[in-house]
Amino acid sequence: AQSVTQLGSHVSVSEGALVLLRCNYSSSVPPYLFWYVQYPNQGLQLLLKYTTGATLVKGINGFEAEFKKSETSFHLTKPSAHMSDAAEYFCAVSGATGANNLFFGTGTRLTVIP
Amino acid sequence: EAGVVQSPRYKIIEKKQPVAFWCNPISGHNTLYWYLQNLGQGPELLIRYENEEAVDDSQLPKDRFSAERLKGVDSTLKIQPAELGDSAVYLCASSLDAGDEQFFGPGTRLTVL
Repeated sequence: AQSVTQLGSHVSVSEGALVLLRCNYSSSVPPYLFWYVQYPNQGLQLLLKYTTGATLVKGINGFEAEFKKSETSFHLTKPSAHMSDAAEYFCAVSGATGANNLFFGTGTRLTVIP
Repeated sequence: EAGVVQSPRYKIIEKKQPVAFWCNPISGHNTLYWYLQNLGQGPELLIRYENEEAVDDSQLPKDRFSAERLKGVDSTLKIQPAELGDSAVYLCASSLDAGDEQFFGPGTRLTVL
């Protein structure tokens, strides 16, 4: 079984500051890990994903995340927040084999303060 | 390339009424998913289709929910009768095949009064 815990349902940062959104996962099989972004009244858009190989993955819009197996974490970061980054962010996990059903966390709403 | 299309975008109905949502996946995508997203929560899978076959419907409340994907393309999700607790956003997603990246539609926001 897979599950995800996102610490902090709301995160506020100043424009230009570091963005750090936390995600811890639980998986009985090797995981695939994902970060999605959801803007108001829109569907989810994939930011980045980890499947195998390099543990530091880079995504769109300057975001990156690092898979740390020992910590069962996949935190999302961006060095400098932009106003357009304000949105809801979801971490998700799926099994590395078989069906790729996604299990989502409860989301973190990012507010960027000008 | 067109994305996943869903309609309607918004629906308001009274409890005990039926309602249906429609999804048109990205052309050529064999796998289609319906998710339920409650307010303040992440999406939860309701059903997954591979072509026209429902291969995972374990989370679909079958007493009132039904879905179909005729000809392995468009899909319809139905609720009959709707209850107050069904108020949520219903998301459709598709992928080329199971295991590939999922692309999400904008969702249908259902309000049951």
